[in-house]
Amino acid sequence: DGGITQSPKYLFRKEGQNVTLSCEQNLNHDAMYWYRQDPGQGLRLIYYSQIVNDFQKGDIAEGYSVSREKKESFPLTVTSAQKNPTAFYLCASSISGSGAGELFFGEGSRLTVL
Amino acid sequence: AQKVTQAQTEISVVEKEDVTLDCVYETRDTTYYLFWYKQPPSGELVFLIRRNSFDEQNEISGRYSWNFQKSTSSFNFTITASQVVDSAVYFCALSEAYTGRRALTFGSGTRLQVQP
Repeated sequence: DGGITQSPKYLFRKEGQNVTLSCEQNLNHDAMYWYRQDPGQGLRLIYYSQIVNDFQKGDIAEGYSVSREKKESFPLTVTSAQKNPTAFYLCASSISGSGAGELFFGEGSRLTVL
Repeated sequence: AQKVTQAQTEISVVEKEDVTLDCVYETRDTTYYLFWYKQPPSGELVFLIRRNSFDEQNEISGRYSWNFQKSTSSFNFTITASQVVDSAVYFCALSEAYTGRRALTFGSGTRLQVQP
């Protein structure tokens, strides 16, 4: 079935470690997105990519990095520079980067820093 | 800058009651899109509806209905005869077609609890 796969579902990290969250889609969508969700808050945009080999910072990009080398893949690295990385991370994709299309979401990755 | 406000943090109703979730948005763009998503306890967001700024017709889908009013910059969501399965967090979102970034900006969400 077509969809978005995020892994791992749960991840624990020690302070000072970088971690990479995987996001793969087989929907043939051009655009992909990373959002962060904290308890009681909405989704905040970290990075987005409207096309392969191109990406833009969102509202809270500091301490994160991404790459978009393949259309189907948009991994997110949470670096040690991110001061408060414990959160729920959601990856999404849309047919195009026009802003008009609905987003399809993965099941999320919950990161906990020990 | 674009902004979405969902003033209701949490709503609790008893099954079969009607409930309206409010959404107010801000944008300087003349062409934009509004969305509603549902987030059940599993965490994955589920798309409910999309509206473009030129279509102010109200929409009804089963027990769900949406009221879009440009004059008040609102896009409210009503659930008629609520059911326990409607319990979830509901998000309103906005994207701009021209002047803004082409990614959704979400409100803070409204948690709906439907009691049996």
